[in-house]
Amino acid sequence: AQSVAQPEDQVNVAEGNPLTVKCTYSVSGNPYLFWYVQYPNRGLQFLLKYITGDNLVKGSYGFEAEFNKSQTSFHLKKPSALVSDSALYFCAVVQGGATNKLIFGTGTLLAVQP
Amino acid sequence: SAVISQKPSRDICQRGTSLTIQCQVDSQVTMMFWYRQQPGQSLTLIATANQGSEATYESGFVIDKFPISRPNLTFSTLTVSNLSPEDSSIYLCSVGKGQGASSSYNEQFFGPGTRLTVL
Repeated sequence: AQSVAQPEDQVNVAEGNPLTVKCTYSVSGNPYLFWYVQYPNRGLQFLLKYITGDNLVKGSYGFEAEFNKSQTSFHLKKPSALVSDSALYFCAVVQGGATNKLIFGTGTLLAVQP
Repeated sequence: SAVISQKPSRDICQRGTSLTIQCQVDSQVTMMFWYRQQPGQSLTLIATANQGSEATYESGFVIDKFPISRPNLTFSTLTVSNLSPEDSSIYLCSVGKGQGASSSYNEQFFGPGTRLTVL
């Protein structure tokens, strides 16, 4: 079965520092991976996805993610964190087959201190 | 992209009653999804609602508890029946673009959610 793991419940980073939010995956076949962000009292917003091609994927708000097949990881990164990046981040993988059912990770709360 | 609205945004309900949540999309879409996000938890898919067919429920979710309607390509409702405090959650609808294998490539767009509290 497809799954993703987010090993950190919370990540703390100072404003201006680089940030990384970790995600590892377990899939059979080719992985279709996504990152979403949830701001307080709002729905999820799509950040970026990896389907195929270049391992470094660029997304919204200056975020990027690196697909690493050997480490089965898809970590979310940003070179310089902003206080406004503070939110809940979810990694997700498509369940498989001709569907776009998403399996979500447990989420990582990113707290950026000024 | 797609703009999705949900009604109500929040509600407080008594045990044993039901709540119907509406999801409206600004464009026609084939696939709509309903998720539950329990307090402090991740999202769990309840069911997939495709227009013109019965909803497909995930393991642990049944139609009697979570009846879904999908009368057209821009609208769906989820009813949470016979409410108990354990149903207190945020319920989100989302839409996916495309059909068949290509739908796997596409991101989903989420509504703002409905926060349900059951007393």
